[in-house]
Amino acid sequence: AQSVTQPDIHITVSEGASLELRCNYSYGATPYLFWYVQSPGQGLQLLLKYFSGDTLVQGIKGFEAEFKRSQSSFNLRKPSVHWSDAAEYFCAVGAPPERAAGNKLTFGGGTRVLVKP
Amino acid sequence: GAGVSQSPSNKVTEKGKDVELRCDPISGHTALYWYRQSLGQGLEFLIYFQGNSAPDKSGLPSDRFSAERTGGSVSTLTIQRTQQEDSAVYLCASSLGLAGGRLTGELFFGEGSRLTVL
Repeated sequence: AQSVTQPDIHITVSEGASLELRCNYSYGATPYLFWYVQSPGQGLQLLLKYFSGDTLVQGIKGFEAEFKRSQSSFNLRKPSVHWSDAAEYFCAVGAPPERAAGNKLTFGGGTRVLVKP
Repeated sequence: GAGVSQSPSNKVTEKGKDVELRCDPISGHTALYWYRQSLGQGLEFLIYFQGNSAPDKSGLPSDRFSAERTGGSVSTLTIQRTQQEDSAVYLCASSLGLAGGRLTGELFFGEGSRLTVL
């Protein structure tokens, strides 16, 4: 069964500082990996996704993530955080299209990011 | 429509009542998903539709929960005899599903229906 762990429930970072959110997954083959962001009262917005190819993936809002197969990780990073980045971030894993009868995503528990002025 | 639309956005009900939550996916998206997000929790998968059929209902927590999808579009999630533990935000998502014989991976989410059971 697939699973996702986000070890950090809360992270507080100063505006302008760098941010890294950890994500570890368990999946029996090459997974599809996603990061979503949820602002207060909003639905989930896709930040970036990894299907194959280059293991460093660029997303929206200046975010990037790196797939490391050997560590079963897909950590999200941003070099300089803005106050508007305060939100909850979810990592998710899904089966590749050629394997899945449906692309059900399994989500981690989320990391809430607080940004200090 | 432009995005996934869910209604109602907020629902307060009394324990024991039935509720219906509606999801209108992005036009042309054949796959539709329901998730539940409880306070302080991650997203819990409930059910997946491909067209009008539901190949995966494994996440429905009890037989009080059911969902249907008609015309390959709108879906309704029904919770019968609601309990306080059903209080959560119910999120609907859609994706292209099968495209050129392959499934696409990106899910687009609605803003959710917040259910409060008193």
